[in-house]
Amino acid sequence: AQSVTQLGSHVSVSEGALVLLRCNYSSSVPPYLFWYVQYPNQGLQLLLKYTSAATLVKGINGFEAEFKKSETSFHLTKPSAHMSDAAEYFCAVSRGGNTGKLIFGQGTTLQVKP
Amino acid sequence: EPEVTQTPSHQVTQMGQEVILRCVPISNHLYFYWYRQILGQKVEFLVSFYNNEISEKSEIFDDQFSVERPDGSNFTLKIRSTKLEDSAMYFCAHRDRGPLNTGELFFGEGSRLTVL
Repeated sequence: AQSVTQLGSHVSVSEGALVLLRCNYSSSVPPYLFWYVQYPNQGLQLLLKYTSAATLVKGINGFEAEFKKSETSFHLTKPSAHMSDAAEYFCAVSRGGNTGKLIFGQGTTLQVKP
Repeated sequence: EPEVTQTPSHQVTQMGQEVILRCVPISNHLYFYWYRQILGQKVEFLVSFYNNEISEKSEIFDDQFSVERPDGSNFTLKIRSTKLEDSAMYFCAHRDRGPLNTGELFFGEGSRLTVL
């Protein structure tokens, strides 16, 4: 079975500060890992994905995440937060293949203070 | 970027009424999904659909729910007799590849269902 745990339901940072959103996964097979962002009253948009190539993955809007198998983690970072980054962030895991089902974490709300 | 159109964007209904949520994905995509998100909670898998049949469903997807793709384009989620706890945002998603799929799904903007 696969699962995802996001540590911290709310994270608050100042504009310009480092953003770190934590995600740990559990998977019995090599996982595919994703970060999705949800802006208020909008759908889910893919930020980045890990698909067993490079362990450091760069996504849109300056975000990146590093896959660490030894720590079963896939934390999302951004060096400098912008006000427009305020949103809900979801980490997700999939085993790929014919099922392709995504399993989501609980989500982390990022607040960016001026 | 692939687009998914969901209708209605918001529906208010009385408890016990039937609701149909619609999704129009890119026509050549073969794998379809419904997810829901109760306010303030995580996004939960409901059902996956391939080749005109359900390939997987969650415990949430009970006999009150059904899905179909009647005309080869629209993908619908029907709730036969809505309950208060069905109030949520419902997301349609799809992808276009089979065994080589890496799991990435493309989501619509959601249909908000409010059951009174």
